Amino acid sequence: QLQLQESGPGLVKPSETLSLTCTVSSGSISSNSYHWGWIRQPPGKGLDWIGSIYYSGRTYFNPSLRSRVTMSVDTSTNQFSLKLSSVTAADTAVYYCARLWLGGSYPDYFDSWGQGTLVTVSS
Amino acid sequence: EIVLTQSPGTLSLSPGERATLSCRASQSVGSTSLAWYQHKPGQAPRLLIYGASSRATGIPDRFSGSGSGTDFTLTISRLEPEDFAVYYCQQHYNSPLTFGGGTNVEIK
Repeated sequence: QLQLQESGPGLVKPSETLSLTCTVSSGSISSNSYHWGWIRQPPGKGLDWIGSIYYSGRTYFNPSLRSRVTMSVDTSTNQFSLKLSSVTAADTAVYYCARLWLGGSYPDYFDSWGQGTLVTVSS
Repeated sequence: EIVLTQSPGTLSLSPGERATLSCRASQSVGSTSLAWYQHKPGQAPRLLIYGASSRATGIPDRFSGSGSGTDFTLTISRLEPEDFAVYYCQQHYNSPLTFGGGTNVEIK
């Protein structure tokens, strides 16, 4: 069964860059049927899609975060990563990585999720 | 951006009862571009329904999805104790992918 695990610092200072990695196991990140994405959930709020990446490196981002987001994929280690720059307290959230079904040319729904990791932005 | 509005915000029911959750889109998302998830505290969200009405692998048949256009429904025919959780809808008809605000199904 596919497993995804987020890793990275739980505390980031304001104005710095948040960096997270998702390790995929029991499945290949190089599959042509899936995208790999990030979603976040601020405390007490709903889910927000940050962006997703294909194994080739093609990306889709939420326009609300596009200017601050970088995503990358490493097929040799079966990992993909998120960088969010210039963070503020508003970026405090549980960050999830997930696999997205690629129904056509655009990612569709999230069929497998990681457990999530809390990232707090504070000095 | 397509806004998804879920109602009610909280649903208080007893085990064995039927739960009906609504998801309304600000514009049409077609007939197959909607998914439903179950989320319990501290756990990974779980895909329940994709394509508006198709159950994901391993999902019991007490969960069913219906709807098209702007109005969608998730129905849990008979609530089991493990079904009390927050449920989210999500559309993938247009970018960006968006989620509804969630419905909390709590024990009455």
